[in-house]
Amino acid sequence: DQQVKQNSPSLSVQEGRISILNCDYTNSMFDYFLWYKKYPAEGPTFLISISSIKDKNEDGRFTVFLNKSAKHLSLHIVPSQPGDSAVYFCAARAAYNTDKLIFGTGTRLQVFP
Amino acid sequence: NAGVTQTPKFQVLKTGQSMTLQCAQDMNHNSMYWYRQDPGMGLRLIYYSASEGTTDKGEVPNGYNVSRLNKREFSLRLESAAPSQTSVYFCASSSLGFGGNTDTQYFGPGTRLTVL
Repeated sequence: DQQVKQNSPSLSVQEGRISILNCDYTNSMFDYFLWYKKYPAEGPTFLISISSIKDKNEDGRFTVFLNKSAKHLSLHIVPSQPGDSAVYFCAARAAYNTDKLIFGTGTRLQVFP
Repeated sequence: NAGVTQTPKFQVLKTGQSMTLQCAQDMNHNSMYWYRQDPGMGLRLIYYSASEGTTDKGEVPNGYNVSRLNKREFSLRLESAAPSQTSVYFCASSSLGFGGNTDTQYFGPGTRLTVL
């Protein structure tokens, strides 16, 4: 059973526009959420995170929104740049098991000129 | 400061062969992890080690063994490789340990393994 779901396997956005990547989760015990970015032939790299006590966290062009009641989070990239083209993984962690991250299946973002 | 390093980068095995994937980190992290990434499956945790001398099973541990050799090194062994173990393997580390605070995981570049 997939506890963290990224239902869009791919997304294509024009340079300068907003990219919105979505993630849904089923476990109400998740209290910390992260987004990782992965380029081909490289390991994932941490992008941004949010604690369940917040509903928004911003870092430059990247903003993560958390809607706990809907068990949904989203990553907004504004403005999108060609270098943002990568696979984005959503991940979640439960307070009772802080050693484990549960990852979604990823969304491939392509930013075209 | 190399972060997390993995060897080898690529490996081809025949069914039934054994091999060990090596991982080392130089960030003085307590916790280390092994994941596999398969198309459409995301990253799945195989084993992890919250501290030196301890290891625990993750989501998909069958067919694998691990050794936390010291604080820096965490190896993954395939005793008898099977085609189903064809995957990209990532090692990660974090400063998060038992009772630790929120932290992120840092990943190595991966090992692409093919089992024929």
